[in-house]
Amino acid sequence: DAGVIQSPRHEVTEMGQEVTLRCKPISGHNSLFWYRQTMMRGLELLIYFNNNVPIDDSGMPEDRFSAKMPNASFSTLKIQPSEPRDSAVYFCASSWDRGRRSPLHFGNGTRLTVT
Amino acid sequence: DAKTTQPTSMDCAEGRAANLPCNHSTISGNEYVYWYRQIHSQGPQYIIHGLKNNETNEMASLIITEDRKSSTLILPHATLRDTAVYYCIKGGKLIFGQGTELSVKP
Repeated sequence: DAGVIQSPRHEVTEMGQEVTLRCKPISGHNSLFWYRQTMMRGLELLIYFNNNVPIDDSGMPEDRFSAKMPNASFSTLKIQPSEPRDSAVYFCASSWDRGRRSPLHFGNGTRLTVT
Repeated sequence: DAKTTQPTSMDCAEGRAANLPCNHSTISGNEYVYWYRQIHSQGPQYIIHGLKNNETNEMASLIITEDRKSSTLILPHATLRDTAVYYCIKGGKLIFGQGTELSVKP
């Protein structure tokens, strides 16, 4: 099993540009989660999907952030326009049953730097 | 409160047992307790989870109090590679606190 795969590993962009982060969950998992990690705020849950449907997006900071899951094997997190305060490490995770009775499996993250 | 409470940091001597406490006094009856660790900005890694009974796997042991309001993660023989931030979370809430920064020293 290849685990959760995120791309790119690093992204450097200028303020105002569009950024798209990608995630491939573990095959067979039906829940997918996007987290953001900064020194100040720690690990924050942004949004999670169950069976490709967004269940809770209350953690999405602003309308500049959007996430999609067009099928069971792919999800994107888009920031448009990006701002320097969006600089963080973004993690994707997947699991069975929304992480209630089975653990989350995390990818290695995308380190985003907005200048 | 969706978050758990953990000490900010702990030290442990290499080869000794590391005992990491977690308070989850507001846990619901059907919520599992999960432990993860994160090594230097890698993605958090699952360690162990439990509901009521104590659990053990190849990585660690989990002791849950009878009232389920707290638990302890035990690394029986800590090594330098166990230096990491350890998170205790309630399954289903998916909310991570600041965790415990464990430093294993030679």
